[in-house]
Amino acid sequence: EIVLTQSPGTLSLSPGERATLSCRASQSVSSSYLAWYQQKPGQAPRLLIYGASSRATGIPDRFSGSGSGTDFTLTISRLEPEDYAVYYCQLYANSRWTFGQGTKVEIK
Amino acid sequence: QVQLVESGGGLVKPGGSLRLSCAASGFTFSDYFMSWFRQAPGRGPEWVSYIDSGGSAIYYADSVKGRFTISRDNAKNLLYLQMNSLRAEDTAVYYCARGVAPRSFDYWGQGTLVTVSS
Repeated sequence: EIVLTQSPGTLSLSPGERATLSCRASQSVSSSYLAWYQQKPGQAPRLLIYGASSRATGIPDRFSGSGSGTDFTLTISRLEPEDYAVYYCQLYANSRWTFGQGTKVEIK
Repeated sequence: QVQLVESGGGLVKPGGSLRLSCAASGFTFSDYFMSWFRQAPGRGPEWVSYIDSGGSAIYYADSVKGRFTISRDNAKNLLYLQMNSLRAEDTAVYYCARGVAPRSFDYWGQGTLVTVSS
């Protein structure tokens, strides 16, 4: 089973700052199947990035994804007030989907 | 607009059963694969089950295999999750989600709470 490890657990940043979130897989994976989601309290996850680097429909261009192999990154170029949330990476492999444990982006 | 509305959650005793439904609208349901996810209080999302657009390919997480059954009715735009032999650790908000290539999920319902407790 492939394990996704996200870091850091919590990121404390001010509005306008850059956020860099990491997702590391326990073995090399296909970047085609790596996605990122945002989740706010009481809401369902929202797809941000699919295929490691493609923005989903309606997602602002301050969100970008990159990476390959075992290391993937979600970058928020300039934090807006609505971006404070928990972010999860998700992988499809071997007929199953797994999530990382999440990174919480909180207001500093 | 795309809408997914789950129903059927509630309080059930350990060993009991529930059937969740997900009503889809605003898109051609039969063109999309679908999945169920769940999220226990204070934890991250967990994938539960997958069904392809025609209902012929089905996968389950190990934690629910043999107890849960996913199905769909494309004529009625409905997705189902039959949950048997429920355990306390099945307590969670259950979401249905629409799948898009390549294997991500672009629309999610609002969730339905399942509580397994005596």
